[in-house]
Amino acid sequence: GESVGLHLPTLSVQEGDNSIINCAYSNSASDYFIWYKQESGKGPQFIIDIRSNMDKRQGQRVTVLLNKTVKHLSLQIAATQPGDSAVYFCAESPPGNTPLVFGKGTRLSVIA
Amino acid sequence: NAGVTQTPKFQVLKTGQSMTLQCAQDMNHEYMSWYRQDPGMGLRLIHYSVGAGITDQGEVPNGYNVSRSTTEDFPLRLLSAAPSQTSVYFCAATSGLTNEQFFGPGTRLTVL
Repeated sequence: GESVGLHLPTLSVQEGDNSIINCAYSNSASDYFIWYKQESGKGPQFIIDIRSNMDKRQGQRVTVLLNKTVKHLSLQIAATQPGDSAVYFCAESPPGNTPLVFGKGTRLSVIA
Repeated sequence: NAGVTQTPKFQVLKTGQSMTLQCAQDMNHEYMSWYRQDPGMGLRLIHYSVGAGITDQGEVPNGYNVSRSTTEDFPLRLLSAAPSQTSVYFCAATSGLTNEQFFGPGTRLTVL
């Protein structure tokens, strides 16, 4: 989920288990959402996106779910691997030519 | 195809010094942006540009200038560095077709 204070929330999962990372977004009019993965010392990397006219989108081992009623976004990672260890950010795109708004991130730690 | 490149990777400045963080992209994307990333704060938008000759302020523009004379380059200038500007800086270029945002590897700046 979203972080408070100076420390990112951390999700620890066993290798092979499924991971679910949550995000609450702020603008009910946002029409596009993205999940990013950021490994240590690197820039954020696009994982998967979803438009507001959908409630689910699947990629390779990842699924994004969108619940517009409660302004909630989740990222599901199937069969989590050590290489999935990273910080995951959600971002929302408000309507119009407006910059993305990023969440504060969740750290995923995979236990081998 | 190098994507988004940033130089330098690391920089240490003294308070009051000025410098320019370089960002270049070879994907011909019109939209570029600069973010800073601080612990527990996520990515905060400093400035952005929707095309050559056009720039606009983001969430935290004070103390920074940008220019966009070409599609490829989007330098960020620190006019008089302050310790509060110690951060990791990311440049990004966004595809107008897919909305996918491509980040550079980042510049870690320390202001003493």
